[in-house]
Amino acid sequence: GQNIDQPTEMTATEGAIVQINCTYQTSGFNGLFWYQQHAGEAPTFLSYNVLDGLEEKGRFSSFLSRSKGYSYLLLKELQMKDSASYLCASMDSNYQLIWGAGTKLIIKP
Amino acid sequence: GAVVSQHPSWVICKSGTSVKIECRSLDFQATTMFWYRQFPKQSLMLMATSNEGSKATYEQGVEKDKFLINHASLTLSTLTVTSAHPEDSSFYICSARDGGTQETQYFGPGTRLLVL
Repeated sequence: GQNIDQPTEMTATEGAIVQINCTYQTSGFNGLFWYQQHAGEAPTFLSYNVLDGLEEKGRFSSFLSRSKGYSYLLLKELQMKDSASYLCASMDSNYQLIWGAGTKLIIKP
Repeated sequence: GAVVSQHPSWVICKSGTSVKIECRSLDFQATTMFWYRQFPKQSLMLMATSNEGSKATYEQGVEKDKFLINHASLTLSTLTVTSAHPEDSSFYICSARDGGTQETQYFGPGTRLLVL
């Protein structure tokens, strides 16, 4: 079956670094997405990885290992506004997104 | 980045009425649009996938006669919740995929539906 696993909740301190892990099993693979969703709002696109390695985009980086079915989202220099849910999604062979349940990130001062 | 709009942003209606939600891709042609539902503190649940000019594909457990989807053009898809009931109250979000690529989905801002 298809499955996406990510932690339910994480807590980090303002200014610090946090890594949110995601493991996936899907029928075929056409890329791994990370989205940010603030409470009461729709998700916004953060990153897309289809090749192994690290993609850096400002304070956010995303890593993919296809052989391990593993990805992580790295957030640096955390700000209070980064408090949100972070959704991992794998695109299967039919180009459908298979969603994880999301990781709620709590930033403390 | 690509922009997807959704209208209305929120709606309150009486039980038994029908509600139409519009989803538009503003600066790209969306050959495929997706409709999601999200209940509080839960992840996105895909309801249906619609391709321009063809019938929507509904996920298991989603009633196609209750949730009518029309994707008449490359920039517009509509979701009509027919005979809405309180249990249909939810956050409905559409997303659109750029016809020029198979990858990124862009999300609309969502429509919050409250059925009294």
